[in-house]
Amino acid sequence: QKEVEQNSGPLSVPEGAIASLNCTYSDRVSQSFFWYRQYSGKSPELIMSIYSNGDKEDGRFTAQLNKASQYVSLLIRDSQPSDSATYLCAVRGGNTGFQKLVFGTGTRLLVSP
Amino acid sequence: KAGVTQTPRYLIKTRGQQVTLSCSPISGHRSVSWYQQTPGQGLQFLFEYFSETQRNKGNFPGRFSGRQFSNSRSEMNVSTLELGDSALYLCASSFRDRDSDTQYFGPGTRLTVL
Repeated sequence: QKEVEQNSGPLSVPEGAIASLNCTYSDRVSQSFFWYRQYSGKSPELIMSIYSNGDKEDGRFTAQLNKASQYVSLLIRDSQPSDSATYLCAVRGGNTGFQKLVFGTGTRLLVSP
Repeated sequence: KAGVTQTPRYLIKTRGQQVTLSCSPISGHRSVSWYQQTPGQGLQFLFEYFSETQRNKGNFPGRFSGRQFSNSRSEMNVSTLELGDSALYLCASSFRDRDSDTQYFGPGTRLTVL
């Protein structure tokens, strides 16, 4: 089982729709969770971080964390063609010492006009 | 505040050569992590340095090494280059304290091995 799993996609949504991106992780004591967006040929850019169960909203983006189910998701409301990119889920496992950040392989999102 | 910078941005080398990549973190950040990204493997963790000490290491051969200086700048070195080392090498920095462990990425160095 991979440490962080994402559906590779592509996930296709029409402009204005809600895009839902999902991620599961294997380390039950993971503490920090991040979503990054990566455009083709560019480096990942942080969308948001989440540390506690529940929802965290930032503009059109909402991250949802459920530690009991080991599941984190990202909702993008009013999707725009400029949101077309690969979305990377990253999880920092464990609660002691220096734990590395583990990335999923990413979900490719395509937003059609 | 300036972001993470990496030099050079592009590099072409031949098999058997060695290469050194440089990363300057965001001011105040003490942790620098390095990743290799290829189309087939995604983002693979190489190592993390904090306060000049390697804190974590990924599953890469010993040809891949790194170091961090007292000003938190970091370098990674790849010796005896192989064709499979062609990739985008990313560095990311963070405060790495209890309240903030978010990593911010630099633009990357694209290495091509011929």
